[in-house]
Amino acid sequence: QQQVKQSPQSLIVQKGGISIINCAYENTAFDYFPWYQQFPGKGPALLIAIRPDVSEKKEGRFTISFNKSAKQFSLHIMDSQPGDSATYFCAASKETSGSRLTFGEGTQLTVNP
Amino acid sequence: DTEVTQTPKHLVMGMTNKKSLKCEQHMGHRAMYWYKQKAKKPPELMFVYSYEKLSINESVPSRFSPECPNSSLLNLHLHALQPEDSALYLCASSQPGTERAKNIQYFGAGTRLSVL
Repeated sequence: QQQVKQSPQSLIVQKGGISIINCAYENTAFDYFPWYQQFPGKGPALLIAIRPDVSEKKEGRFTISFNKSAKQFSLHIMDSQPGDSATYFCAASKETSGSRLTFGEGTQLTVNP
Repeated sequence: DTEVTQTPKHLVMGMTNKKSLKCEQHMGHRAMYWYKQKAKKPPELMFVYSYEKLSINESVPSRFSPECPNSSLLNLHLHALQPEDSALYLCASSQPGTERAKNIQYFGAGTRLSVL
């Protein structure tokens, strides 16, 4: 069964710190790995995404690190801010399944002022 | 504009009611999705429409009936629901066919459904 395992389930970080969320996948056919950010009462919003031909992608304070051999990828949030407090979902998909996303279980991030 | 609009935002219905959820996007996307999300859980895929045709049905009970009247609209008709169907129902859209764009799904804010 296709799975994406995400950890930790919850994370508390002080303002200015680095938040790190990890995901591991099983299906080597996955070729697209997005991260979604969800605030309470809102739908998930695409934050950043990576394909397996690169090992790192950075957009502002958000960086995805990708390790193809270990089948792992992670989200790093630098200089974490209280406004980053949200639930983060990693996901994976493969081209032959169209746009079917397999989500991780989510990480609830709290950034304390 | 990357907006997916869902109405209503909240819905309370009894088990014998019939109601509909609506979703609209004007991004020209030709794939639209319904997801169900329980508290503290990831979205679960229910249905996918591609070019107005139902392409994926994730073995959803028949009390949920999707409809795609045109490329901009998606409905979810609800009938004889159970209390365990209470959840956040999310609509999403994407543009199939363009390699880099086709996996970017844009979500609406959802409809919070309570079944009494």
